[in-house]
Amino acid sequence: EVHLVESGGHLVQPGGSLRLSCAASGFTFSAYSMSWVRQAPGKGLEWVADINKDGSEKYSVDSVKGRFTISRDNSKNSLFLQMHNLRVEDTAVYFCARRRVGSGTSFFDYWGQGALVTVSS
Amino acid sequence: SYVLTQSPSVSVAPGKTARIACGGDNIESKSVHWYQQKPGQAPLLVLSFDTDRPSGIPERFSGSNSGNTATLTIRRVEAGDEAVYYCQVWDNNSALLFGGGTKLTVL
Repeated sequence: EVHLVESGGHLVQPGGSLRLSCAASGFTFSAYSMSWVRQAPGKGLEWVADINKDGSEKYSVDSVKGRFTISRDNSKNSLFLQMHNLRVEDTAVYFCARRRVGSGTSFFDYWGQGALVTVSS
Repeated sequence: SYVLTQSPSVSVAPGKTARIACGGDNIESKSVHWYQQKPGQAPLLVLSFDTDRPSGIPERFSGSNSGNTATLTIRRVEAGDEAVYYCQVWDNNSALLFGGGTKLTVL
């Protein structure tokens, strides 16, 4: 059974840094692209960052470019999101999700339970 | 950039049929995927590629995609179907996009 478990969510001051982790199990981690998707309180879903199977290709949404870095360690079945210079508007639940790619499309077939990041003074 | 439009809310009585629409320019040219999110929970994939149900999703959930509208249809609605439903596409220019979500209320 596929499991994705996020950790590292915390209260942090504006301008601070935080590192989220996602532990994967139940599937061959190195065979899948992985993403972080966030959801601000009471809002919808936003794709934030993505990394391909071997970590050689990365994507991030414009609002976090230069501040957030996605990475993975396939030897430890782990996904990471390093966040710097955090802003109040980065406050959200951050979900780790397994991304399926094929036939000219892409979607998420498994999600973690989420990690809450609160940016506030 | 490509935009997906969903109505904020839909209400339906138990046992009836709910239809949740997702609008986008020529959306029929794209594969649409649907997620269900209950309060305090992670999203759950309920349909992929317009109509494909993952294992464990009831047959009551079905989908269609034509013209500028994709539709998630839930037949014989149950109280447990109450949730926010998001549509999602992959767009070559805008990458992976979500609709704003539709809250399904079971009366």
